[in-house]
Amino acid sequence: AQSVTQPDIHITVSEGASLELRCNYSYGATPYLFWYVQSPGQGLQLLLKYFSGDTLVQGIKGFEAEFKRSQSSFNLRKPSVHWSDAAEYFCAVGARGSGGYNKLIFGAGTRLAVHP
Amino acid sequence: GAGVSQTPSNKVTEKGKYVELRCDPISGHTALYWYRQSLGQGPEFLIYFQGTGAADDSGLPNDRFFAVRPEGSVSTLKIQRTERGDSAVYLCASSLQATNTGELFFGEGSRLTVL
Repeated sequence: AQSVTQPDIHITVSEGASLELRCNYSYGATPYLFWYVQSPGQGLQLLLKYFSGDTLVQGIKGFEAEFKRSQSSFNLRKPSVHWSDAAEYFCAVGARGSGGYNKLIFGAGTRLAVHP
Repeated sequence: GAGVSQTPSNKVTEKGKYVELRCDPISGHTALYWYRQSLGQGPEFLIYFQGTGAADDSGLPNDRFFAVRPEGSVSTLKIQRTERGDSAVYLCASSLQATNTGELFFGEGSRLTVL
């Protein structure tokens, strides 16, 4: 069965520090992978996605993620965190549903706190 | 509207009552999804519509949950005989079409509290 694991429930970093959020997935075929961010009072927003090709993908707000098939991972990174990045981050895998579409399966999320 | 709109934003009800949650997707989006997000968890798929029909309702937890989309735009999630375990944030999302982009646009959610 498809699943997504985000090992870190809560991470705290200092503003300006680098960030890496971990994501591991379980999927029988080449996965479609996504990172979403959820800020208080706002809906989930897509940061970036991987479908195929270059395994390093760039997203919005200076985020990037690297797909590593051998490790079944899709970790999210940012070289320098801003206070406004404090939010909850969700990794998701796109799975085929009975309707033939990409039903998203989400991890439990990682809550990021940023210290000034 | 500019984004996915969900009403009400908050709903408090008593155990056993009936509840309706509404979703107004982005204009022109043919695909509409309902997810449920419990405290401390990621969103969990409930049901997906392509146009007016439910293409996949495999995530609905039991027959107390039902959703409709009669005109292919607005959708209503209906919960009968609510239970305390139904308390969660119900998220709606839409996409232009059911392609492999998986790019869903989410609303802010309806927070349901069952007392």
